[in-house]
Amino acid sequence: QSALTQPASVSGSPGQSITFSCTGTSSDVGGYNYVSWYQQHPGKAPKLLIYDVSNRPSGVSNRFSGSKSGNTASLTISGLQAEDEADYYCSSYISSSTVVFGGGTKLTVL
Amino acid sequence: QVQLQESGPGLAKPSETLSLICTVSGYSISSGYYWGWIRQPPGKGLEWIGSINHSGHTYHNPSLKSRVTTSVDTSKNQFSLKVSSVTAADTAVYYCARDRGWYTLDYWGQGILVTV
Repeated sequence: QSALTQPASVSGSPGQSITFSCTGTSSDVGGYNYVSWYQQHPGKAPKLLIYDVSNRPSGVSNRFSGSKSGNTASLTISGLQAEDEADYYCSSYISSSTVVFGGGTKLTVL
Repeated sequence: QVQLQESGPGLAKPSETLSLICTVSGYSISSGYYWGWIRQPPGKGLEWIGSINHSGHTYHNPSLKSRVTTSVDTSKNQFSLKVSSVTAADTAVYYCARDRGWYTLDYWGQGILVTV
């Protein structure tokens, strides 16, 4: 199973909106609505931000939103804040009853 | 509040078996869900290792399947991981997590660094 493709890094200024991409295939992202997104600050465990493509767990800010088109899922952060600087990972269920993660994207808030 | 805590040796010797335990509090494993292991080599991304439910049904990463064993002890509200024949490539922070369904990992332990 190949990792999902994420850009290595993105940057944005406070207040801006920024979108992360996560590209897979029809066997994972494109085939199922089971894409999740996680935020990881340095030295910390990942935190679930989005599940089932676009659902937010209780307690996650509505500045975070998810979507999917074809084989690419996206995470958007609106109203970027300094505390959003972190690594972001996507994951997807795949047809072999397992899960694959993306390589992660490092967000820098300028 | 659901909490998970990994425990085990922080050091393993090449060719030996790495063993970790995840203790769950605030939720009974017997009540449901799957319980997973994920690892992260230093400076790298996340890799799913495997998941197990309260009855012992497992799914494992095909790339690791032959070396991975997972088990569950509902009486202690714990689940465990063994990785055999370890090499330096198995050096990573190992996390345990609750899988609320379809590999949505909603609660994570703090992670434990295991160095081979």
